[in-house]
Amino acid sequence: AQSVTQPDIHITVSEGASLELRCNYSYGATPYLFWYVQSPGQGLQLLLKYFSGDTLVQGIKGFEAEFKRSQSSFNLRKPSVHWSDAAEYFCAVGAQTNAGKSTFGDGTTLTVKP
Amino acid sequence: DAGITQSPRHKVTETGTPVTLRCHQTENHRYMYWYRQDPGHGLRLIHYSYGVKDTDKGEVSDGYSVSRSKTEDFLLTLESATSSQTSVYFCAISEFGGESSYNEQFFGPGTRLTVL
Repeated sequence: AQSVTQPDIHITVSEGASLELRCNYSYGATPYLFWYVQSPGQGLQLLLKYFSGDTLVQGIKGFEAEFKRSQSSFNLRKPSVHWSDAAEYFCAVGAQTNAGKSTFGDGTTLTVKP
Repeated sequence: DAGITQSPRHKVTETGTPVTLRCHQTENHRYMYWYRQDPGHGLRLIHYSYGVKDTDKGEVSDGYSVSRSKTEDFLLTLESATSSQTSVYFCAISEFGGESSYNEQFFGPGTRLTVL
């Protein structure tokens, strides 16, 4: 069975500082990996995705993530955080089979200090 | 933005009453999903559909049923609502297949359900 672990429940960074959100997954084959962002009171929005190829993927809003198969990780990064990045972030792993179901991590809440 | 709407957006009901939540899409996507979101639990899959009249259970399906009579509509029913079903419910859609498709999901805005 596939699973996702986001070790950090809550992270606080200062505006302008760099950010890294951790994600570890468990999946038997090559995974599809996603990062979603959820602003308060909103649905989830896709930030970026990894399917195959280049292990460093670029997403929207200046985010990037790196797939490391040896570490079963897909960490999300941003070089300089903006106050508007404060939100909850979810990592997810999906499968090409199994009706495309994705398994989500429990989320990391990002607070941005002025 | 993907065309996904959920109705109602907010609902307060009493224990023991039936409740139906509706998800409507205009994207003609094959796959539809219902999740619930609770603090500390992320998103948990309730039921999903892989086509008209084709549905299956997710990890937290007890107390819920679904129906999909048209591609665009996916209904979630709580036959007899309980306080433990107080949650935010999200619908999602997906379409994938072939080498260039990914099973990314597009989410609706959510329905906040309170069961008193």
